[in-house]
Amino acid sequence: DAGVIQSPRHEVTEMGQEVTLRCKPISGHDYLFWYRQTMMRGLELLIYFNNNVPIDDSGMPEDRFSAKMPNASFSTLKIQPSEPRDSAVYFCASRLAGGTDTQYFGPGTRLTVL
Amino acid sequence: GQQVMQIPQYQHVQEGEDFTTYCNSSTTLSNIQWYKQRPGGHPVFLIQLVKSGEVKKQKRLTFQFGEAKKNSSLHITATQTTDVGTYFCAGAGTALIFGKGTTLSVSS
Repeated sequence: DAGVIQSPRHEVTEMGQEVTLRCKPISGHDYLFWYRQTMMRGLELLIYFNNNVPIDDSGMPEDRFSAKMPNASFSTLKIQPSEPRDSAVYFCASRLAGGTDTQYFGPGTRLTVL
Repeated sequence: GQQVMQIPQYQHVQEGEDFTTYCNSSTTLSNIQWYKQRPGGHPVFLIQLVKSGEVKKQKRLTFQFGEAKKNSSLHITATQTTDVGTYFCAGAGTALIFGKGTTLSVSS
């Protein structure tokens, strides 16, 4: 079984540019989560979706960040305009409703904003 | 809001020594999960604890959930270099609340 797929794996961009991160959750999973990981702040939940609907976006740092889930197999996290402080590893995770709360993480996208 | 604290932040041990990381929540948890993240990798689920006082073992790893369901610990017996990484606890619910993790380094 394919796990959570994220692309790109690495992204280097210049300040002010738009960045789009992509995620394909595990097939059949109902929940999708976006996290940001930095040394200073650890693993932060940005937003999560249930059945493609955003449930909680209170972790989204500011209006420059937006996330969409147009269908059950695809989600994007967009940063526009990007800033150097957005440099981090961004993880997508998914899980199945019911049963345990186990989340399955993708390999992450390492974003560097110059 | 709910917070999950982990100590220590870093721990270095000699191979063969034991290691313990502790997790404390500001509120009672319905259950707690532990994840491991290897250097350069992503968090991988290890285990979930649900019952008060629960103890679970995975080979050299022992996980414990406190009686009040507000704290948990992970103990590794006789560490090996393969144990290197960051261990996270997470208060479980629809959205996990992660601690900042304990990073373990092991020298041979």
